[in-house]
Amino acid sequence: GNSVTQMEGPVTLSEEAFLTINCTYTATGYPSLFWYVQYPGEGLQLLLKATKADDKGSNKGFEATYRKETTSFHLEKGSVQVSDSAVYFCALSDRTGNQFYFGTGTSLTVIP
Amino acid sequence: GAVVSQHPSWVICKSGTSVKIECRSLDFQATTMFWYRQFPKQSLMLMATSNEGSKATYEQGVEKDKFLINHASLTLSTLTVTSAHPEDSSFYICSARDGRDKQYFGPGTRLTVT
Repeated sequence: GNSVTQMEGPVTLSEEAFLTINCTYTATGYPSLFWYVQYPGEGLQLLLKATKADDKGSNKGFEATYRKETTSFHLEKGSVQVSDSAVYFCALSDRTGNQFYFGTGTSLTVIP
Repeated sequence: GAVVSQHPSWVICKSGTSVKIECRSLDFQATTMFWYRQFPKQSLMLMATSNEGSKATYEQGVEKDKFLINHASLTLSTLTVTSAHPEDSSFYICSARDGRDKQYFGPGTRLTVT
C-alpha cells in the first residue's frame, strides 16, 4: 500500500542554519510527491511538488528531489529564517489524484 | 500508527442533493478535526475546525449552512454538503489531532456533482 514516513520533530535550528527534513515513501505505481507547510494558526499550503522521478520541486528557497531509487523526497533549505518556523508535511498522491497520503508532520522552530 | 479513514472515498451525486462525508480516527481519540478542500492543482484550503461537542469554526468565505459539520464523538466528524452544485465538486480531506498535538490526515474524498 501507499504510505509516507517523515522524520519526527520537533526540529530547532538557529537562523541561517541548513535544514533537512527526511521523507520516504512506499507506493504502488508512480505517485506525485508534495511538501505542504502549515504556519501557526493557518491551514496547509502547498510548498512544492514533483510529479516524476528525478524532478526537483523548489519554492521560497526550499528544494526536494523525487528519488525513485531511494523512495525519498527530502526537504532542504540552505539558510533558514525565523519566518520558516512552521509544521511541514510530506505527502503523496496516486496517479489518479484520488487519494492523498500524508506524513505526520515535522515541527520546525527557527531561533534568531 | 494512528489512522484516519474517510468514507466514501469517491462519490458522484446529482445537483441539488446532499452528500455526507465521514471522517473517523480509528485508533485514537481526536478532540479536534479539520476539514480541507482542494481545488485541482491547488493547495489544500482549510474549511473549518471541528471540536467535539461544540460548533465548528468556519474559515472566512466558507458557507456554514452549505457545509454542515458535526463532530458528535471523539472519533467521528461528518461533513455534509447540502444542495450540492457542480462548483462543489472537489477533493475533501479531513485531519484529526491526537492528544499530543500530532495531526493525521484521511485519504480524502473526491466529490463529483453532475
